Amino acid sequence: EIVLTQSPATLALSPGERATLSCRASQSVGIYLTWYQQKPGQAPRLLIYDASNRATGIPARFSGSGSGTDFTLTISSLQPEDFAVYYCQQRSEWLTFGGGTKVEVK
Amino acid sequence: EVQLVQSGVEVKKPGESLRISCKTSGYYFAKYWISWVRQMPGKGLEWMGRIDPTDSYTNYGPSFQGLVTISVDKSTSTAFLQWSSLKASDTAMYYCARGGVGGGTYRAFDIWGQGTVVTVSS
Repeated sequence: EIVLTQSPATLALSPGERATLSCRASQSVGIYLTWYQQKPGQAPRLLIYDASNRATGIPARFSGSGSGTDFTLTISSLQPEDFAVYYCQQRSEWLTFGGGTKVEVK
Repeated sequence: EVQLVQSGVEVKKPGESLRISCKTSGYYFAKYWISWVRQMPGKGLEWMGRIDPTDSYTNYGPSFQGLVTISVDKSTSTAFLQWSSLKASDTAMYYCARGGVGGGTYRAFDIWGQGTVVTVSS
């Protein structure tokens, strides 16, 4: 089973700051890496698929990069509504999720 | 509008059976696989398995194989997740999700249901 390790577990930042979230896979997943956002009491929402493609309706401040085993989700300028938990997911071999990164207000 | 609407809160006792549902609308049901995802209290997301509505072919994650059953009713465009004998450790939020975008064998989940809370307690 491919294990995804997300870091940091918690990221404390202020609105307007840049957020950089990491997801590392235990073996190559090619570009089949997806990012989701989950707010308290809500279902997850698709942000980025195939490593760098923004989903429909996702603002341009969200971007994804990487391939193989190392991936990054970047939020260029945090908005109040961006404070949430972010999960990566690999779709190369079965489906597995990372443990999540919580982006909280500093 | 594409929607996945799940059935309501369930409170059950250990050993009881349960089937929860995910009714889809706004798109051609047979075109996209439906997956189920578990989220235990305060924890992360776990993929349980998926089903191809065309022929009911299923894949299960290794941790869920033999423990749950995923099925569909094409006549009502509804997917189901079923347990034959619940345990306290099945207490969780369960989401259905449509595999709608991206390449590869497994597609990314572009539409999610609102979730069904299942509580198993004696």
